[in-house]
Amino acid sequence: AQSVAQPEDQVNVAEGNPLTVKCTYSVSGNPYLFWYVQYPNRGLQFLLKYITGDNLVKGSYGFEAEFNKSQTSFHLKKPSALVSDSALYFCAVRDMVSYSGAGSYQLTFGKGTKLSVIP
Amino acid sequence: DAGVTQSPTHLIKTRGQHVTLRCSPISGHKSVSWYQQVLGQGPQFIFQYYEKEERGRGNFPDRFSARQFPNYSSELNVNALLLGDSALYLCASSFGWLQSNQPQHFGDGTRLSIL
Repeated sequence: AQSVAQPEDQVNVAEGNPLTVKCTYSVSGNPYLFWYVQYPNRGLQFLLKYITGDNLVKGSYGFEAEFNKSQTSFHLKKPSALVSDSALYFCAVRDMVSYSGAGSYQLTFGKGTKLSVIP
Repeated sequence: DAGVTQSPTHLIKTRGQHVTLRCSPISGHKSVSWYQQVLGQGPQFIFQYYEKEERGRGNFPDRFSARQFPNYSSELNVNALLLGDSALYLCASSFGWLQSNQPQHFGDGTRLSIL
């Protein structure tokens, strides 16, 4: 089974500074990777995805992620953090679920990283 | 366009009861997936439905069941509720069968508390 790991439970960064939220993956074959953000009492919002192609993926709200195959990482980045970026961030990988011979895909999530941007 | 809508937003039940949670996907989306998010953890996959058929099931007991209707809305049912079923239940929709590179779009969830 595919998996992702988010090594940091919490990341603190000052407003205006660059931010990085880390994610490493373990997959067989080519990884399909995603980043989602969750604000308090809300569902998950899609930020960006990596399927294939350029290692630097640009997403919503100024976020981008760098895919690094040799380090099996997919870190989320933003050049200048905003207080409104404070939220819970989840890395996810598309995983195959064997079912009735046909199979399906699901998302397998990391445990999440709480980002706090300090004014 | 409306996003994924879930109802109710909050629910309080006692052990042994059963619960039904509802989800309406984004217009045009034919696939609905259900996830359970326990406090402090990432979401865990429960079911996926596509074109009204169950296409995938996660590692959850048979107390959990779901169905999808002709209008692509979906219900998640949980019987014989346990304290450990307390969680945020998320519904996600996508156009297809999560085959290629389609992201899933999530609703705001139903917060289920078991007393």
